[in-house]
Amino acid sequence: AQSVSQHNHHVILSEAASLELGCNYSYGGTVNLFWYVQYPGQHLQLLLKYFSGDPLVKGIKGFEAEFIKSKFSFNLRKPSVQWSDTAEYFCAVKSTAGNKLTFGGGTRVLVKP
Amino acid sequence: NAGVTQTPKFRILKIGQSMTLQCTQDMNHNYMYWYRQDPGMGLKLIYYSVGAGITDKGEVPNGYNVSRSTTEDFPLRLELAAPSQTSVYFCASSAPLSRRGVNTGELFFGEGSRLTVL
Repeated sequence: AQSVSQHNHHVILSEAASLELGCNYSYGGTVNLFWYVQYPGQHLQLLLKYFSGDPLVKGIKGFEAEFIKSKFSFNLRKPSVQWSDTAEYFCAVKSTAGNKLTFGGGTRVLVKP
Repeated sequence: NAGVTQTPKFRILKIGQSMTLQCTQDMNHNYMYWYRQDPGMGLKLIYYSVGAGITDKGEVPNGYNVSRSTTEDFPLRLELAAPSQTSVYFCASSAPLSRRGVNTGELFFGEGSRLTVL
């Protein structure tokens, strides 16, 4: 069975600070990886995804994530956060042939203006 | 194009009552899912469906039932509500890659249904 760990439950930053959220997964086969975001009062939406190819993927709103296969990691980064990045961020994994996404516990990010 | 629509948005139940959370999508997606979200626990998969007439259990199916009689609808039923079922429930759908039929994994979520069992 696959599992996902997000090590930071809460992160507090000031605007313009850099953000990095850790995500590690456990699965023996090939995977697809995702980051979803839930802004306050809104439903979850896809931030970015990795299927294959370049392990550095870029998503919406200046976010990027790097897949490091040897470390089973898919960390999310943003060089300079804005107040509007305040949200909860979820990492998710799916086996390439499967239909089920497994989510991590989420990281709440608060960006102070 | 409404996407994924869930009803009701809020509901309070008494222990032992039953209810159905409705979910419908208008994107002609094959795959549909029900997740529950609890603080600090992320999203846990309850049930999912790969197409009309086909459903399967997720991580936490106990106390729930689903059906998928049409492509559009995927209702979640709670038969005997318990306090442990207090949660926010999300329905989601996704589409296959057009040629290979493999699930893209890009989920489109509804706005959620907040359920409290007292």
